[in-house]
Amino acid sequence: QSALTQPASVSGSPGQSITISCTGTSSDVGGYNYVSWYQQHPGKAPKLMIYDVSNRPSGVSNRFSGSKSGNTASLTISGLQAEDEADYYCSSYTSSSLVFGGGTKLTVL
Amino acid sequence: QVQLQESGPGLVKPSETLSLTCAVSGYSISSGYYWGWIRQPPGKGLEWIGSIYHSGSTYYNPSLKSRVTISVDTSKNQFSLKLSSVTAADTAVYYCARLGGWGAGDYWGQGTLVTVSS
Repeated sequence: QSALTQPASVSGSPGQSITISCTGTSSDVGGYNYVSWYQQHPGKAPKLMIYDVSNRPSGVSNRFSGSKSGNTASLTISGLQAEDEADYYCSSYTSSSLVFGGGTKLTVL
Repeated sequence: QVQLQESGPGLVKPSETLSLTCAVSGYSISSGYYWGWIRQPPGKGLEWIGSIYHSGSTYYNPSLKSRVTISVDTSKNQFSLKLSSVTAADTAVYYCARLGGWGAGDYWGQGTLVTVSS
């Protein structure tokens, strides 16, 4: 299984919206509605932000939203805040396995 | 509140076996969910190692399958990872996590750094 493809970095100014893509294949992202997104601050464990493509766990801000089209999933963060600066990872279920994306560093300018 | 805590040696010699345990509190492993191990080499991304269901069914990353064993001890409410024949490439922060049926990790341990070096 190959890692999902994410852009290495994205940036945005406070208040703006950004979108991070996560591209896989019909065997993972495209084949199941089981994409998750994680936020990771330096030295910390990942935090689940989105599961099953577009669902937010309790306590996660509604500024975070997820979607999917074909083999590509997306995470959108609206109203960017300084605390959103972190690494973001996608993951997808794939035939009894899990595969992660390479990660995207979000910089809030 | 569900909490997970990894424990084990922080230094392992090349060719030896890495062994870690994840103690779970606030939730009984026997009640359900999958329980997994994920690792992150320094400065790099996340890699799923494998998962185990409370019944003992296991699922492993194909690239690591020949070297990985994950087991569960419901009496102690913990699960364990063994990775054999380690090399420097196995140096990473190792996380344990509770995973939903389709892989969403809602609770994670703080992570433990394991260095492979002689």
